[in-house]
Amino acid sequence: QKEVEQDPGPLSVPEGAIVSLNCTYSNSAFQYFMWYRQYSRKGPELLMYTYSSGNKEDGRFTAQVDKSSKYISLFIRDSQPSDSATYLCAMSAPGTNAGKSTFGDGTTLTVKP
Amino acid sequence: DSGVTQTPKHLITATGQRVTLRCSPRSGDLSVYWYQQSLDQGLQFLIQYYNGEERAKGNILERFSAQQFPDLHSELNLSSLELGDSALYFCASSVGGGRQSSGNTIYFGEGSWLTVV
Repeated sequence: QKEVEQDPGPLSVPEGAIVSLNCTYSNSAFQYFMWYRQYSRKGPELLMYTYSSGNKEDGRFTAQVDKSSKYISLFIRDSQPSDSATYLCAMSAPGTNAGKSTFGDGTTLTVKP
Repeated sequence: DSGVTQTPKHLITATGQRVTLRCSPRSGDLSVYWYQQSLDQGLQFLIQYYNGEERAKGNILERFSAQQFPDLHSELNLSSLELGDSALYFCASSVGGGRQSSGNTIYFGEGSWLTVV
């Protein structure tokens, strides 16, 4: 079983919908949680970064971490066609090298106009 | 544009061959990371170099090797290629080389598509 499991999707929603992307993990040592967005034929780009539990909001994006349930989510409000991409969750434990995060396999999102 | 440059963008080669992928990090970044992304394995960390020295190792095969040069560019060498090595190889860079922090964002290049036939 993988350390990080991500809802595989694909996910297709109409423009303006609220999108929920989710990952579960098994390693209780994980403290750093990231969401990356990857457009087709491009490299991943960091979207949200959260340390430990709680919520973090940045514009239309909200990241939630529930360490008790080992569950993280990314919410996208008022989704736009430009949000169509693959979203990767990633996480790491304290002391872990920044590049050695464990990534989920990604959820592909399509927002239809 | 992340500022990380990778060449070549696409590469087709035969089994048993050797290829070299090149990466130029963002200006000022000292760390270079290499990743492999395939449909069945997802994004896998291979290796990291910091200021010319190997800093961390992941799931890198013995047939693969990397190095970082004094000008901080890096090369990933893949040898005795197999069909299963077909994947997208990403280089990424960051300012620091150590532990995870909000200030140590990793920037990815656009990748090199390798197809082994």
